[in-house]
Amino acid sequence: IAGITQAPTSQILAAGRRMTLRCTQDMRHNAMYWYRQDLGLGLRLIHYSNTAGTTGKGEVPDGYSVSRANTDDFPLTLASAVPSQTSVYFCASSLSGDLNEQFFGPGTRLTVL
Amino acid sequence: KQEVTQIPAALSVPEGENLVLNCSFTDSAIYNLQWFRQDPGKGLTSLLLIQSSQREQTSGRLNASLDKSSGRSTLYIAASQPGDSATYLCAVRGDYKLSFGAGTTVTVRA
Repeated sequence: IAGITQAPTSQILAAGRRMTLRCTQDMRHNAMYWYRQDLGLGLRLIHYSNTAGTTGKGEVPDGYSVSRANTDDFPLTLASAVPSQTSVYFCASSLSGDLNEQFFGPGTRLTVL
Repeated sequence: KQEVTQIPAALSVPEGENLVLNCSFTDSAIYNLQWFRQDPGKGLTSLLLIQSSQREQTSGRLNASLDKSSGRSTLYIAASQPGDSATYLCAVRGDYKLSFGAGTTVTVRA
């Protein structure tokens, strides 16, 4: 059982380019999340999805979009990347929303030049 | 807005000593609190989850307590080992999201 996989592991991207970070979980969890981790700012929620077909905005959603077409996948898209989106991105999932443990993927290190 | 604070920011102990890591939060209206471990360049590994109705949770050498009314949690790691060296993060679950502390970086010296 892989748990949560993220791709790519790392990426260097030119500013203005479009990029999709992929996240897949095989635990049949209903809820999924995207966080970014930055030195001095900690982990911040970008977007979340409580169940397939629904999404919501987190603390720092600007410049990012998500979709949840099925239970397993939760891609994060940067429509036009900017240098301030340089960060480590983590996908997470939990069985349901409020009461359950969150599990994290290995992360994607993104550099926007 | 929920604020989560972890003190100290860094800690260095000799092998075998017990570790005490502190986490405080400003809003007691939480569903649960979760402790994570993060190794350099890696993702977060969940260690313990304490529901808001619980006072403590134990797993092996790890014990976490929760005092929701005073907004505090403590993670105890017994008989520390060099392999315990990592950053430990606490996070509280409020409406729709986890709020994270900045973490405590632990070094266990052999």
